[in-house]
Amino acid sequence: ELKVEQNPLFLSMQEGKNYTIYCNYSTTSDRLYWYRQDPGKSLESLFVLLSNGAVKQEGRLMASLDTKARLSTLHITAAVHDLSATYFCAANTGTASKLTFGTGTRLQVTL
Amino acid sequence: GAGVSQSPRYKVTKRGQDVALRCDPISGHVSLYWYRQALGQGPEFLTYFNYEAQQDKSGLPNDRFSAERPEGSISTLTIQRTEQRDSAMYRCASSPTWFIFGTWAGNTIYFGEGSWLTVV
Repeated sequence: ELKVEQNPLFLSMQEGKNYTIYCNYSTTSDRLYWYRQDPGKSLESLFVLLSNGAVKQEGRLMASLDTKARLSTLHITAAVHDLSATYFCAANTGTASKLTFGTGTRLQVTL
Repeated sequence: GAGVSQSPRYKVTKRGQDVALRCDPISGHVSLYWYRQALGQGPEFLTYFNYEAQQDKSGLPNDRFSAERPEGSISTLTIQRTEQRDSAMYRCASSPTWFIFGTWAGNTIYFGEGSWLTVV
């Protein structure tokens, strides 16, 4: 059974600082997803990582995937308050795109 | 539609009543998923459709839960004889699945705003 773990669960950081969220998964997965969720809102897709060594960047966020280590990272560069949200990673099993989500990392960026 | 649409957005029901939650996926999306999300947790898979075929229902908690997508578009998640433990956010998602050169191509899965169910 696929298990996905994120750490940290909660992250408070100052504006302008850099930090990384880690996502470990327990078995082979075809794809790794990152989502953002604002309070009371739906999940917004950030990245879909398809292969070992994949790196994608959007603004201050960069995601990478190491399938051998079963690890994905979400790196935040020079954080700004607008990035405050909960970030979820999710991995899939098989071809059916059934996603298993981590418990989420609640990011709080302070001014 | 522009996004995945769910209704009702909020539903309060008495224990023992049946409820039906509706999902209208993004137009043309082949795959449709139902997830349940408890407060402070990540979404938990319930079931999945490709067109009208239910491909995986392994996440449905028990036989009080069922889902259908009869014409390959709109889907309904039905919970019979609701219990308080069924209270949660129920989210629908859809994706334009495609298969290229023998492998699944990358695709984004789009989530709806959810239906918040409270059983009293």
